[in-house]
Amino acid sequence: ETGVTQSPTHLIKTRGQQVTLRCSSQSGHNTVSWYQQALGQGPQFIFQYYREEENGRGNFPPRFSGLQFPNYSSELNVNALELDDSALYLCASSLVPGLTYNEQFFGPGTRLTVL
Amino acid sequence: DQQVKQNSPSLSVQEGRISILNCDYTNSMFDYFLWYKKYPAEGPTFLISISSIKDKNEDGRFTVFLNKSAKHLSLHIVPSQPGDSAVYFCAASEIQGAQKLVFGQGTRLTINP
Repeated sequence: ETGVTQSPTHLIKTRGQQVTLRCSSQSGHNTVSWYQQALGQGPQFIFQYYREEENGRGNFPPRFSGLQFPNYSSELNVNALELDDSALYLCASSLVPGLTYNEQFFGPGTRLTVL
Repeated sequence: DQQVKQNSPSLSVQEGRISILNCDYTNSMFDYFLWYKKYPAEGPTFLISISSIKDKNEDGRFTVFLNKSAKHLSLHIVPSQPGDSAVYFCAASEIQGAQKLVFGQGTRLTINP
């Protein structure tokens, strides 16, 4: 069973640029969630994708957008990067949402630094 | 608005003793609670969870207690081992809907030999 993978591991961008982060979900999972973890804080929910549609969004501006592909992998895109976007970006995958909680499995994250 | 709070940024415990990590929440709609453990350069890994219909869940050395009236949960690790040194996050979720996890700020646990 393949776990959640993310690429790249590290990334350095400058303010105003755009970035795309990638995530491959664990086999058998069809839901992907993205989280932002700033230094010294807990992860914060950005959004979730289920069946290629956004299925819930946290308190993040529209310049944070995402995609989910038919193979359930996902991308997180951030436009017009700001210094405060520097963080660890975590992807988590799970099974179809339902009436019971479905455990989320996390990838190792992408460390984004905005200069 | 911090809906899940871990008020202790760090905790140091001697090997073999009990480690108790605490977590408070404010949102009464939360009905599922989880603890995650995180090592440097790795993503959080699931440790143990509890549904709001229970007040205790045990898994080996790990026990989670939930006090709904106080909106408080705790994680007990007995006995503590050096490999338990990590950052521990408390998280909460509503079962229905997007099941987004709301995390606390984390507690860094250090087990001293």
